[in-house]
Amino acid sequence: NAGVMQNPRHLVRRRGQEARLRCSPMKGHSHVYWYRQLPEEGLKFMVYLQKENIIDESGMPKERFSAEFPKEGPSILRIQQVVRGDSAAYFCASSPYPLDTNTEAFFGQGTRLTVV
Amino acid sequence: QQPVQSPQAVILREGEDAVINCSSSKALYSVHWYRQKHGEAPVFLMILLKGGEQKGHEKISASFNEKKQQSSLYLTASQLSYSGTYFCGTAEKAAGNKLTFGGGTRVLVKP
Repeated sequence: NAGVMQNPRHLVRRRGQEARLRCSPMKGHSHVYWYRQLPEEGLKFMVYLQKENIIDESGMPKERFSAEFPKEGPSILRIQQVVRGDSAAYFCASSPYPLDTNTEAFFGQGTRLTVV
Repeated sequence: QQPVQSPQAVILREGEDAVINCSSSKALYSVHWYRQKHGEAPVFLMILLKGGEQKGHEKISASFNEKKQQSSLYLTASQLSYSGTYFCGTAEKAAGNKLTFGGGTRVLVKP
């Protein structure tokens, strides 16, 4: 059973371009979480999705950021018109059940976005 | 709201012990502990669900005081491989199914 797969591992975008980050959860996991991590800082929650539904997007910036988790295919975190402040590591995690049960979240290797 | 971890950093000699604390102002359902090495993904260590529960992973153990909304991670007889940044993630009873992480505690174990 492969782990949580994120791609690309590294992404360089010029200011104003779009960034698309992909996350394939572990097999059988229908709960996906996206986190952002700035250098030397902690993990900041962005959004929680469960197949085709956004459950909690309280950590998502109001503009330029969107996320989806379609019925088929990976979860996508999309950042439009990137700015330098978007440079960070973006981690995806997945779980088979909601986290208010005795369930751990498995993290992917992350996508390191650099905006130049 | 983000849980508070202390200390922010600790340096140990191999074989020494350390305690990392995680404190929340919110009622918690569970506490999850992860370790992250530089440039890598966070790796799950353990989850604590019930108040007073203690769990262990090798010589790393943790406790959860639900009443005080606090958890502590104990590194016993530390090994070089224990170096990394430790994060506690809390699941709040009123905040749905997501983990809110503390700022992390950097641990460096020296020979």
